[in-house]
Amino acid sequence: QQQVKQSPQSLIVQKGGIPIINCAYENTAFDYFPWYQQFPGKGPALLIAIRPDVSEKKEGRFTISFNKSAKQFSLHIMDSQPGDSATYFCAAAYVTGSQGNLIFGKGTKLSVKP
Amino acid sequence: KAGVTQTPRYLIKTRGQQVTLSCSPISGHRSVSWYQQTPGQGLQFLFEYFSETQRNKGNFPGRFSGRQFSNSRSEMNVSTLELGDSALYLCASSFRGAEQYFGPGTRLTVT
Repeated sequence: QQQVKQSPQSLIVQKGGIPIINCAYENTAFDYFPWYQQFPGKGPALLIAIRPDVSEKKEGRFTISFNKSAKQFSLHIMDSQPGDSATYFCAAAYVTGSQGNLIFGKGTKLSVKP
Repeated sequence: KAGVTQTPRYLIKTRGQQVTLSCSPISGHRSVSWYQQTPGQGLQFLFEYFSETQRNKGNFPGRFSGRQFSNSRSEMNVSTLELGDSALYLCASSFRGAEQYFGPGTRLTVT
């Protein structure tokens, strides 16, 4: 019930392409779904997050799509750039119940070719 | 605002020793969480402290412990180190527990 499954494990796109990373969760109590970006040697950086009462959220080139009935959410990166090459993690948490610990997916290594 | 800081950044210890890692949260943040990151297991939650009290705990053995001080700074301790404890230990701070901001981590190598 606590798992978050992330796919694909790795992804290669050309510059300008739109990589899509998918995540699925099991626990319907989760009410907070963030995405993190991590570069080698750095800690994860919060990119964008969504609550289950909205189906889509955009921040700059990053968009989260959320499907509550399917228990799935995804990250889209518009007009991807080589600087977006990093590992991306989805996560879920039950913050309303003060169980704010993040349950992470296994990560997707994205490579954007020039 | 300054970000989350962690010290030391790198550490090499021998099996059986103990280690203490330190984390200073973003000013004004009262919640500090610790995570272990390994290539095999990914990012796993260790524990969370809020106002000096442990609020949540992950599924790690009792060798892993932590504490939080009145200024919100936190320490985690690992006793009787094992080779499998080699990992990147990440600290994250948040205002109320939702948006968590991570530090750069402490890379622990156990030999």
